[in-house]
Amino acid sequence: DQQVKQNSPSLSVQEGRISILNCDYTNSMFDYFLWYKKYPAEGPTFLISISSIKDKNEDGRFTVFLNKSAKHLSLHIVPSQPGDSAVYFCAANTKTSYDKVIFGPGTSLSVIP
Amino acid sequence: NAGVMQNPRHLVRRRGQEARLRCSPMKGHSHVYWYRQLPEEGLKFMVYLQKENIIDESGMPKERFSAEFPKEGPSILRIQQVVRGDSAAYFCASSPGQGAHGYTFGSGTRLTVV
Repeated sequence: DQQVKQNSPSLSVQEGRISILNCDYTNSMFDYFLWYKKYPAEGPTFLISISSIKDKNEDGRFTVFLNKSAKHLSLHIVPSQPGDSAVYFCAANTKTSYDKVIFGPGTSLSVIP
Repeated sequence: NAGVMQNPRHLVRRRGQEARLRCSPMKGHSHVYWYRQLPEEGLKFMVYLQKENIIDESGMPKERFSAEFPKEGPSILRIQQVVRGDSAAYFCASSPGQGAHGYTFGSGTRLTVV
């Protein structure tokens, strides 16, 4: 039972263009969503998050959009840079279970120079 | 302490042996979380500990796996009588308090069972 889904295992984007990574979830109790970035042989690092009371959060080149009715969120990276090449994990948790973060399977992003 | 320290980075065990994975949280962090990443899968929650207490172990397999976070020293994830299916990357994260936005992950321990 996968509560957080990332249906695209991989994505290739030209440098300078926009990268859009998608995430769907099934648990309507989720109220906090996070994106983590992971390089090979390293642990995941926190990138950006959004509360369920918002529909958009922006931090520099990174913007996360949340559509609660569709149970869908997306991460936009613009402009994409070669250093953005990594695996991106979508994650979520609930107010009653902050300790347990549910991760998606990840999307591997390749930014081509 | 620059971050969450996990050791060893790589661990090879024969089937039936015990594996011990260590995690030292960031300075000032008293909450530790263990996650497992199987090949081609995302990170799966295993257990959440505070000093000397297991808070949530709902993701831990019922047998062979145990975790502790003693008053002194690192958190230990112990896997007894390892099997090939235990081969995975095990990540530890720490936070100063409850809440995922405060997570800092270590670089992981890659366990290979031969």
